[in-house]
Amino acid sequence: ETGVTQTPRHLVMGMTNKKSLKCEQHLGHNAMYWYKQSAKKPLELMFVYNFKEQTENNSVPSRFSPECPNSSHLFLHLHTLQPEDSALYLCASSQAAGPETQYFGPGTRLLVL
Amino acid sequence: GENVEQHPSTLSVQEGDSAVIKCTYSDSASNYFPWYKQELGKRPQLIIDIRSNVGEKKDQRIAVTLNKTAKHFSLHITETQPEDSAVYFCAASKSRNQFYFGTGTSLTVIP
Repeated sequence: ETGVTQTPRHLVMGMTNKKSLKCEQHLGHNAMYWYKQSAKKPLELMFVYNFKEQTENNSVPSRFSPECPNSSHLFLHLHTLQPEDSALYLCASSQAAGPETQYFGPGTRLLVL
Repeated sequence: GENVEQHPSTLSVQEGDSAVIKCTYSDSASNYFPWYKQELGKRPQLIIDIRSNVGEKKDQRIAVTLNKTAKHFSLHITETQPEDSAVYFCAASKSRNQFYFGTGTSLTVIP
């Protein structure tokens, strides 16, 4: 699929591991987002980047570290995660100006053992 | 911050019937209200959206209504089909940095 891609699609990691999630958008957008989707809970906005600059960090624990080297790529670096961090992590992108449509990637299904 | 509530959490309808999902929001400054459909194992996809300067919007079998005074908005699906079965999420936003989603409605269309 084109648009917004994410790798890996599935990830199993131990609590002492370090891993990274990757997101790439091919839509020419300037804003990118990380969301966490857990069962029975609303999508939680974690990080927002606009023109490569982080504009929002919704009180996310420091064991999640985002990186946005350019407007097309977004990473989420993971270290010393907890089992409760197991979830679907979704990346999204949108045009930078104003609240508007977000286009989601397929997500990375993360399991922390 | 914003609080978005969505009801019902599950909904079953017979094929051909209509389905209605309702959301309320708390921040009167919210001005953009999208609806997303997420099929099992797939990404959320926008199906319709509405801005606060409009009261109703329709796209074929799907419509959204917005009542700014009461701070609620609803998704209406008419002539439902089995392929409409999915989880539907509403959201409210007032800026690109703030997107608040409802908890989702699992819709099942029974053939």
